[in-house]
Amino acid sequence: SYVVTQPPSVSVAPGETAKITCGGNNIGSKSVHWYRQKPGQAPVVVIYYDSDRPSGIPERFSGSNSGNTATLTISRVEAGDEADYHCQMWDSRSDHPGVFGGGTKLTVL
Amino acid sequence: EVQLVETGGGLIQPGGSLRLSCAASGFSVSSTYMSWVRQAPGKGLEWISIIYAGSYTYYADSVKGRFSISRDISKNTLYLQMNSLRAEDTAVYYCAREVPIINWGQGTLVTVSS
Repeated sequence: SYVVTQPPSVSVAPGETAKITCGGNNIGSKSVHWYRQKPGQAPVVVIYYDSDRPSGIPERFSGSNSGNTATLTISRVEAGDEADYHCQMWDSRSDHPGVFGGGTKLTVL
Repeated sequence: EVQLVETGGGLIQPGGSLRLSCAASGFSVSSTYMSWVRQAPGKGLEWISIIYAGSYTYYADSVKGRFSISRDISKNTLYLQMNSLRAEDTAVYYCAREVPIINWGQGTLVTVSS
């Protein structure tokens, strides 16, 4: 089955840029969704279909997907961005269409 | 307003069975993708099953052959039948609507232990 890999943790200082990666074999040919999850809460989508941003999500959040890596970029990081971030590969033609990565803990120093 | 309310979790012995229910309101469970996603304590999200509007169903390898997803349109409810449960199935189970997932239930805890 398809495997999606994320780094367990990323740390960044306030005001800097955080990049969280999501790796998979030829993931650029699939779609990737990104979710933010704060403790005790359900996940919230922050980027969908690689680079689209839902209403209410700041422009500081952006996404890209090419080759074997999808990336969530958070610019001008704020303390409130500290959370777990999960990527989800989506391929409706696959027998495993919605595989998640292991999640990345973003720590704001 | 869209709502998803899961029920049916609890403590079950290894090898046992449980059926989770997800009562939906504000939309029809037959009109969109409906998924089950679980999260083991302190771990990441794990996609385990999906049913398409056209009734295609898919499963993660970790549950294939043991779990079954279904829906009852008359009750507007999604189900997850879980058989041959193992300790590693212990998790909070969420039902989820759409792709990408825009609505999540509150989750129901399944604990598999003797």
